[in-house]
Amino acid sequence: SQKIEQNSEALNIQEGKTATLTCNYTNYSPAYLQWYRQDPGRGPVFLLLIRENEKEKRKERLKVTFDTTLKQSLFHITASQPADSATYLCALEYTGRRALTFGSGTRLQVQP
Amino acid sequence: DAGVTQSPTHLIKTRGQQVTLRCSPISGHKSVSWYQQVLGQGPQFIFQYYEKEERGRGNFPDRFSARQFPNYSSELNVNALLLGDSALYLCASSHPGRDTGELFFGEGSRLTVL
Repeated sequence: SQKIEQNSEALNIQEGKTATLTCNYTNYSPAYLQWYRQDPGRGPVFLLLIRENEKEKRKERLKVTFDTTLKQSLFHITASQPADSATYLCALEYTGRRALTFGSGTRLQVQP
Repeated sequence: DAGVTQSPTHLIKTRGQQVTLRCSPISGHKSVSWYQQVLGQGPQFIFQYYEKEERGRGNFPDRFSARQFPNYSSELNVNALLLGDSALYLCASSHPGRDTGELFFGEGSRLTVL
């Protein structure tokens, strides 16, 4: 079965630095790869989506890369702020199946 | 516009009881999905409904069932509750006609089974 690996250890960085989160998966590549943000006790919030034929996607301070050869996506937050502190979830979507397969998330803590 | 709304927000049940969770999607969204999120884990897919028909089911026992109503709202029902059913149950809706699975989640229903 498909497995998704996100760093289970929290990522602690200083304000203003770039945070880089990793999502690795096994087996076949998804049609789409999505990133969500989740705050404690809240539902996930969609951030970015990247298609399998795209290498990079940007939105304001966010950037996602997708390497189907390495079976890896990187999620970058530039000029990080304490308000960026949250858990970030990677999710895979396969063609014809609208269910998302989520990783367990990486908790980001941005120190002021 | 209102987002996805879920009720109740919190509930406590005992083993063996039954629970019904409710979800109203974003206006215009015809697809509703249910996910279970255990503490420290990512959401796990339970069901997807589109136009009142089940379109997908995750790896959950038959104790879990759901339905979608003509107004596209949905209910998730769990029978014979086990301690392991304690989790945050998330409902998500999505826009019809798009080829992507961007999901809009509600805030969830926190179920505690004692």
